[in-house]
Amino acid sequence: LAKTTQPISMDSYEGQEVNITCSHNNIATNDYITWYQQFPSQGPRFIIQGYKTKVTNEVASLFIPADRKSSTLSLPRVSLSDTAVYYCLVVRNTGTASKLTFGTGTRLQVTL
Amino acid sequence: DSGVTQTPKHLITATGQRVTLRCSPRSGDLSVYWYQQSLDQGLQFLIQYYNGEERAKGNILERFSAQQFPDLHSELNLSSLELGDSALYFCASSGQGVGEQYFGPGTRLTVT
Repeated sequence: LAKTTQPISMDSYEGQEVNITCSHNNIATNDYITWYQQFPSQGPRFIIQGYKTKVTNEVASLFIPADRKSSTLSLPRVSLSDTAVYYCLVVRNTGTASKLTFGTGTRLQVTL
Repeated sequence: DSGVTQTPKHLITATGQRVTLRCSPRSGDLSVYWYQQSLDQGLQFLIQYYNGEERAKGNILERFSAQQFPDLHSELNLSSLELGDSALYFCASSGQGVGEQYFGPGTRLTVT
């Protein structure tokens, strides 16, 4: 199962674009990538999911290169309320069984 | 509000005791997942159930067990509790897709 690695922390100023990368070197064909946001003492919240290339929704974009060994969550124009921990999750769903590997999490601090 | 409910919100117990945590998934979701998050640590996947059957197992100790009932609610049983079991325990649910999970507010377990 894919082992995931993320930077421990990142700092940004309000209004900037933030890119958080997750490394998943031994990702398998059936695996796909999901990102979550977590505030202190709350459950994680789903942000975005993708398999390859680029996915965009109203809050973020997810870039996955052709080799799929990494993925980048892009948060456009962050605000103070985006200060949180961000996790990538590699998921393998084979129909009869699932494998889930959360990354170590990246603590994003946004300041004025 | 994710639609996933967990009870109790807080639980304080002594070492050696046994506790049961309860989770009700979002309406219509067949999968339930349990996670453990120790202080300032990442999310450790414990176990997944799908429509009453165990689907995936993560880093779940033998002292821990879970089940999903016909009404789809789930219970996580923790026995012979140790100080190191103190943590936030999250339940999540999903529909067909494993990646997009909806997390409950968590149960904070303190073992003294």
